[in-house]
Amino acid sequence: EDQVTQSPEALRLQEGESSSLNCSYTVSGLRGLFWYRQDPGKGPEFLFTLYSAGEEKEKERLKATLTKKESFLHITAPKPEDSATYLCAVQGSQGNLIFGKGTKLSVKP
Amino acid sequence: DVKVTQSSRYLVKRTGEKVFLECVQDMDHENMFWYRQDPGLGLRLIYFSYDVKMKEKGDIPEGYSVSREKKERFSLILESASTNQTSMYLCASSSSQGNTEAFFGQGTRLTVV
Repeated sequence: EDQVTQSPEALRLQEGESSSLNCSYTVSGLRGLFWYRQDPGKGPEFLFTLYSAGEEKEKERLKATLTKKESFLHITAPKPEDSATYLCAVQGSQGNLIFGKGTKLSVKP
Repeated sequence: DVKVTQSSRYLVKRTGEKVFLECVQDMDHENMFWYRQDPGLGLRLIYFSYDVKMKEKGDIPEGYSVSREKKERFSLILESASTNQTSMYLCASSSSQGNTEAFFGQGTRLTVV
């Protein structure tokens, strides 16, 4: 069964304190791993797609990496505006996205 | 920019009512999805569609149905709303070719009283 597990559930950082979020996945043939950001009361906003082990993508203070079993979202020198829930998903065999439960990130000034 | 628009941000309905949630996308995407999101449970797939008039059950289809008469529009129907269907409903669309990331609407917060 395709499955996505994210850790930690919640992460509190001081502004400027770099850290990483983890996404472990089990899927029969990876067709894509996706990272989203979700602000309270809003729909998820697409950040990155990764397709193969070793691939990396960057956007401002965020960098996503992928291995054969997990993905990391590295946050460098975060700012309070980076506070959000970050969701990881893999594409299932029928084309749908299977989501983890997310990591709620809080960045304090 | 891709745009997925859901007809309502907030909705309050009574138990037993028939409820329609509408979703429209403007990117000519083949795939459309309905999820619900609940605290501690994450996003769960209700129904999805690969093409006009086609539909597939997701993980939690009970109590819901869908309609896709036009490529750009995907409707979620709660046949007889119940209090356990109080949730955030999210519509998404994606292409079946090339980049396959899904784009989401702003969500509909449905409360059934």
